[in-house]
Amino acid sequence: GDSVTQMEGPVTLSEEAFLTINCTYTATGYPSLFWYVQYPGEGLQLLLKATKADDKGSNKGFEATYRKETTSFHLEKGSVQVSDSAVYFCALSLNTGGFKTIFGAGTRLFVKA
Amino acid sequence: EAEVAQSPRYKITEKSQAVAFWCDPISGHATLYWYRQILGQGPELLVQFQDESVVDDSQLPKDRFSAERLKGVDSTLKIQPAELGDSAMYLCASTPRERGREETQYFGPGTRLLVL
Repeated sequence: GDSVTQMEGPVTLSEEAFLTINCTYTATGYPSLFWYVQYPGEGLQLLLKATKADDKGSNKGFEATYRKETTSFHLEKGSVQVSDSAVYFCALSLNTGGFKTIFGAGTRLFVKA
Repeated sequence: EAEVAQSPRYKITEKSQAVAFWCDPISGHATLYWYRQILGQGPELLVQFQDESVVDDSQLPKDRFSAERLKGVDSTLKIQPAELGDSAMYLCASTPRERGREETQYFGPGTRLLVL
């Protein structure tokens, strides 16, 4: 079935370090791919998305490229800040007569000053 | 900026009691989703509405859970009777009608349920 696998956390980094969170997917169709972020006590919010192969989504210094050949959508940021501490969810969306979104388990990021 | 509203934010109940959660999506959003998020996991779909119609409730435990969106606007999710394993965050999300944006989900803050 359709699924999303992302690296387990927590990931702990120092401020200004480089961030990579790995995400791979399995899908029967041709999904759109998303990264959502969840800050403590809040719901999820969209961080970035890509709808077709080789598209790069970017926002707030984060970016991810849709790699169809490796079925991956890894999240990267060149220099993290303390305010980036949150849980990051990779997700795919498929149109099955209505859009259905499947989320990964989430990766918690801690950034130390 | 418009937001998805949910209430209550927190709910503590005893097992075998009934609980209800309310969600008001962003105005004009056609599709509404209820998810359950267990601590340390990603959201899992319980039910999906398109306007007032159920599109997908295949993962909704129908012996104890029910959901409705009578006028195609706000929605209620009910659990009766609640069990210890229902302790989780219940998230509501909605998506716009506009083509090209209908996959992007807008989430409410969630209702955290604790069943004792």
